[in-house]
Amino acid sequence: DAGVIQSPRHEVTEMGQEVTLRCKPISGHNSLFWYRQTMMRGLELLIYFNNNVPIDDSGMPEDRFSAKMPNASFSTLKIQPSEPRDSAVYFCASSLSLAGVEQFFGPGTRLTVL
Amino acid sequence: TQLLEQSPQFLSIQEGENLTVYCNSSSVFSSLQWYRQEPGEGPVLLVTVVTGGEVKKLKRLTFQFGDARKDSSLHITAAQPGDTGLYLCAGALTTSGTYKYIFGTGTRLKVLA
Repeated sequence: DAGVIQSPRHEVTEMGQEVTLRCKPISGHNSLFWYRQTMMRGLELLIYFNNNVPIDDSGMPEDRFSAKMPNASFSTLKIQPSEPRDSAVYFCASSLSLAGVEQFFGPGTRLTVL
Repeated sequence: TQLLEQSPQFLSIQEGENLTVYCNSSSVFSSLQWYRQEPGEGPVLLVTVVTGGEVKKLKRLTFQFGDARKDSSLHITAAQPGDTGLYLCAGALTTSGTYKYIFGTGTRLKVLA
């Protein structure tokens, strides 16, 4: 069975450029989560969706960040414009439901903003 | 405010030694999960504990949920180099209909051969 799929695995861009990260959750999972991980701040929840609807985006750092989930099998996290402090590993995770707290993580996207 | 504090933050031990990692909070969790993360990969779920006082074993790993469901521990017996990684506890808080999933600060374990 395929796990959570993320693309790209690595992204290097210059400050000011738009970055789009992609995620395909596990089939049948109704909840999707976007996280950011850095050495300084650990693993931070940015936003989560339930049944394709954004439930809580209070973790999104600022308006430069946006996320969408147009259907049950696809989500994007966009940063526009990107800044060096956005450099981190971004993870997508999915779970059967919000009540099913066990989450399954993708391999992550390592973003470097120069 | 970090709701889940883990200790120690870093741990380097020799193969064969025992160790315990702690996860503490002032909040009550309905359940708590432990994950292990290896370099270049996402966290992988190890176990879920639900009932206060619950103890679960996974080979050489023993997980315990505190009686008050505010804390948890992970004990590894006879650690092996393959246990090396970042250990994270996590839990869901539901207050006033708001759902929050919180990860702990992490414990970075290195087991030397």
